[in-house]
Amino acid sequence: DADVTQTPRNRITKTGKRIMLECSQTKGHDRMYWYRQDPGLGLRLIYYSFDVKDINKGEISDGYSVSRQAQAKFSLSLESAIPNQTALYFCATSDFSLPGGRSYNEQFFGPGTRLTVL
Amino acid sequence: RKEVEQDPGPFNVPEGATVAFNCTYSNSASQSFFWYRQDCRKEPKLLMSVYSSGNEDGRFTAQLNRASQYISLLIRDSKLSDSATYLCVVKNTGGFKTIFGAGTRLFVKA
Repeated sequence: DADVTQTPRNRITKTGKRIMLECSQTKGHDRMYWYRQDPGLGLRLIYYSFDVKDINKGEISDGYSVSRQAQAKFSLSLESAIPNQTALYFCATSDFSLPGGRSYNEQFFGPGTRLTVL
Repeated sequence: RKEVEQDPGPFNVPEGATVAFNCTYSNSASQSFFWYRQDCRKEPKLLMSVYSSGNEDGRFTAQLNRASQYISLLIRDSKLSDSATYLCVVKNTGGFKTIFGAGTRLFVKA
């Protein structure tokens, strides 16, 4: 079974609709992230959370909100979807480790959610 | 100027070729550096970390030049399975701000 799962995998919706993307992980990591990926722009951080009581805005948080329901679950909401939120969305997790090791702050990504807003 | 810049490619190379990608970063305080690999329509996965002294993992060699603020990835003896997008990733001071480059596409052909 995948360590980081995302639901739904694909979603088509209309402008103005509220959408929730869900992420679950079995890796036991404290840190979770939401990114969006657009062609030519790379991954951009939307929100991140270092534990259940910690939520932080990333570089493009406007129009999005998140909820960390448990260590293993981190949801992303689009309150009123707009067409320029059409993108590939990734959830990721990481654990803290000392620098020098191969897995120093390695991020593990879910399979992605392809969202289209019409 | 983007914080992390990569040549988008695509790089089209024959099997067995050696190919090199460069990546530049703008923040001189950046602390940690990585290369991730992303297959088409899939999630990114860590390929290797980049250490100050340079490091090698099989056919892959990563180098860091802090003075010039660039990172490189060298792939020797390219395989068809190396076809993917390679993302340069930089982690800044504090360790929680991770910047992903837009990626360089590689196609290895028989």
